[in-house]
Amino acid sequence: EPEVTQTPSHQVTQMGQEVILRCVPISNHLYFYWYRQILGQKVEFLVSFYNNEISEKSEIFDDQFSVERPDGSNFTLKIRSTKLEDSAMYFCASSDQGGGDTQYFGPGTRLTVL
Amino acid sequence: GENVEQHPSTLSVQEGDSAVIKCTYSDSASNYFPWYKQELGKRPQLIIDIRSNVGEKKDQRIAVTLNKTAKHFSLHITETQPEDSAVYFCAASIEGNQFYFGTGTSLTVIP
Repeated sequence: EPEVTQTPSHQVTQMGQEVILRCVPISNHLYFYWYRQILGQKVEFLVSFYNNEISEKSEIFDDQFSVERPDGSNFTLKIRSTKLEDSAMYFCASSDQGGGDTQYFGPGTRLTVL
Repeated sequence: GENVEQHPSTLSVQEGDSAVIKCTYSDSASNYFPWYKQELGKRPQLIIDIRSNVGEKKDQRIAVTLNKTAKHFSLHITETQPEDSAVYFCAASIEGNQFYFGTGTSLTVIP
């Protein structure tokens, strides 16, 4: 069964540095998402992406964040200048149809900002 | 926006007993309600979902019920097994792409 994949599994960075988290969604899916989960807390929506543009974003997704689909398979989340509070597990997800369709999650990237 | 609340935050049951987790939502426009199971250090995995045009859905030992009037939905796990131990998250979606998650329930099944 196809799965969403993410790299790296764990990223450690210094405060103020830029990080890029990578995701490969399920190949025939058209809707892509990023969520984050701070340790012990709920999963929080960051952004959704369809047809090469952002379709929804949350208050968390400020100017420090950007997303990109650089090619036909990858979907990336960039954090320009990391802060301590960006430390979290970041999950990518994809779905076939959007609009409340089932979303399949990747294994996550644990980001630690020192 | 939508607000999803989930109870209880922790739940311990004896193997073979049933477990029930409840969620409420605030926006009556929400129409899709998935449940995810997350084992320690792993990805959230969809275990069952329900849409607003259905009141109940069952898949083997797992069932979900939805009360649109009261704006709550529940996950029922019967004949629990140790491998059911995990954190369970409910979510709601309002005809859009954003999932609003509950705070999670840590379920422990005691052998």
